Amino acid sequence: DAKTTQPPSMDCAEGRAANLPCNHSTISGNEYVYWYRQIHSQGPQYIIHGLKNNETNEMASLIITEDRKSSTLILPHATLRDTAVYYCMGLSAGNMLTFGGGTRLMVKP
Amino acid sequence: DTGVSQNPRHKITKRGQNVTFRCDPISEHNRLYWYRQTLGQGPEFLTYFQNEAQLEKSRLLSDRFSAERPKGSFSTLEIQRTEQGDSAMYLCASSWGSSRGNEKLFFGSGTQLSVL
Repeated sequence: DAKTTQPPSMDCAEGRAANLPCNHSTISGNEYVYWYRQIHSQGPQYIIHGLKNNETNEMASLIITEDRKSSTLILPHATLRDTAVYYCMGLSAGNMLTFGGGTRLMVKP
Repeated sequence: DTGVSQNPRHKITKRGQNVTFRCDPISEHNRLYWYRQTLGQGPEFLTYFQNEAQLEKSRLLSDRFSAERPKGSFSTLEIQRTEQGDSAMYLCASSWGSSRGNEKLFFGSGTQLSVL
């Protein structure tokens, strides 16, 4: 699976868009990019995943660069409840979801 | 959809004792995973079941750890002769799908183990 690199922490103002970057330069062609988040004392929560195309759901948007070496998770209107650790991971068939250090997002009023 | 349920929520035990955790996955999910998480770290994969078959185990899973998923429904994770280093949050996740790599894992809230 791809090794991913994320900034250890980010701040965002409440109501603004939070843009969380992830580098995955070693990603292979059949590897999906996954984003999960973990709020304190809870299990990780699935947010979104994609292969090549940009994806959007009720929680977030995922923008994957054309060369697939990086992606950005966008929370369009961050709230205080979005304060969490956000994990970006690559996953291909036959492998396990492998969590790194993630980005600690702090949404401030 | 009642989500993934884990019991107990917290467990305190003395070193050397055996402990068992239970995970009830989402009912139609055929895959079940166990992860372990220590403070400040991301979750680490322990083992994986597809239906009742245990298909993969991490090198992290020592001989003191055993997991079962009888009848492909709930799963148990047992730790024998607990050590202080076993103190962690034990997370269970389940998913459904036929192709690996394109699946959403749903996690429970975990069992927090403290070994004194």
